Amino acid sequence: EVQLVESGGGLVQPGGSLRLSCAASGFTFSSYWMSWVRQAPGKGLEWVANIKQDGSEKYYVDSVKGRFTISRDNAKNSLYLQMNSLRAEDTAVYYCARESSVGDYFDYWGQGTLVTVSS
Amino acid sequence: SYVLTQPPSVSVAPGQTARITCGGNNIGSKSVHWYQQKPGQAPVLVVYDDSDRPSGIPERFSGSNSGNTATLTISRVEAGDEADYYCQVWDSSSDHYVFGTGTKVTVL
Repeated sequence: EVQLVESGGGLVQPGGSLRLSCAASGFTFSSYWMSWVRQAPGKGLEWVANIKQDGSEKYYVDSVKGRFTISRDNAKNSLYLQMNSLRAEDTAVYYCARESSVGDYFDYWGQGTLVTVSS
Repeated sequence: SYVLTQPPSVSVAPGQTARITCGGNNIGSKSVHWYQQKPGQAPVLVVYDDSDRPSGIPERFSGSNSGNTATLTISRVEAGDEADYYCQVWDSSSDHYVFGTGTKVTVL
């Protein structure tokens, strides 16, 4: 069974940093592109970043470029999101999602971890 | 950047048909995917590649895509279908995934 379990969320002050993790199991992690998707309270879904199987390609939504860094450790079956210079508008539930190997969609999602940026 | 527009809400009586639209410039040339999200839960893929269903998704869920509008159709609506629904595409011009604005389906 495919499982994605996020951790690392919490309350952080504006300008602060946080590192999210996503532990993957039930599939060959190193064979899939992976993404982070976020959802602000009461709002819609927003794709944040993704990373190729070997980590050689990474893409980001413009609003987080230069502040967030996506990475992965295939030996640990883990995905990460390093978030720096956090802003109030980064407050959201952050989901880890697996990208389908045969199409441009997300076939599995984690349950999410809440990041709150507030003083 | 590519924009996907959905109606904020759709209301439907049990047993009737709900249609949720997703508008985008020449969206018919893209593959459209749909997710269902219930309160406090992660999104679930219900339709991919315009009209295909993942295993475990009822046949009541179907999709179509042409011109500037994609549509998710839920036939014989049940109370358990009450949720938010999002369309999604890959925008090759920006190498970004794009989600629609979301539609809340209310079962009367």
